[in-house]
Amino acid sequence: GAGVSQSPSNKVTEKGKDVELRCDPISGHTALYWYRQSLGQGLEFLIYFQGNSAPDKSGLPSDRFSAERTGGSVSTLTIQRTQQEDSAVYLCASSLDSSSYEQYFGPGTRLTVT
Amino acid sequence: AQSVTQPDIHITVSEGASLELRCNYSYGATPYLFWYVQSPGQGLQLLLKYFSGDTLVQGIKGFEAEFKRSQSSFNLRKPSVHWSDAAEYFCAVGAPSSASKIIFGSGTRLSIRP
Repeated sequence: GAGVSQSPSNKVTEKGKDVELRCDPISGHTALYWYRQSLGQGLEFLIYFQGNSAPDKSGLPSDRFSAERTGGSVSTLTIQRTQQEDSAVYLCASSLDSSSYEQYFGPGTRLTVT
Repeated sequence: AQSVTQPDIHITVSEGASLELRCNYSYGATPYLFWYVQSPGQGLQLLLKYFSGDTLVQGIKGFEAEFKRSQSSFNLRKPSVHWSDAAEYFCAVGAPSSASKIIFGSGTRLSIRP
């Protein structure tokens, strides 16, 4: 079956512009995660959605970052007024439910802020 | 809160040689432990996981890992590496009480010498 997909695969934007990154989880997966992977770094947790519960936003680095998940499926991560330090690979993952723990990752979106 | 350390940033081994990648964690109870692999241009893929029970777990692609509570370690091993094993390897630790709190290490890059 189809895995997790993310779009765009690459995004170059100018400092100060807003960007939207999209994630399509595996069908039927109720849990969805966003991570940020900077060069040479591990994965930094950003936000977690589980079903209709309030998302865990504890990893969002600033109020310029937000995410939503519509209809319990597709998710969009929005970064407003991008800064150069936002340049990274943004990874999305989904899992069957909150007790599954096994995450399936998408290929990521490489964001470059110039 | 849990944390995970991968002390080796980069390891090079010869093809056919054995491999051990180190992972140390910090958590107040028995955590959930994971190893993921990220091949060039690919998303992260789960190699193996430990929740409870037998402390030696088998994964895909011939990998295994051993949970050692006394050493707070979960090292990844493979008896004989192949050139295709060249990738970035991430250890991760999760809290049984919360699926959102999966913390990833900073990764170990594995290179294979022909």
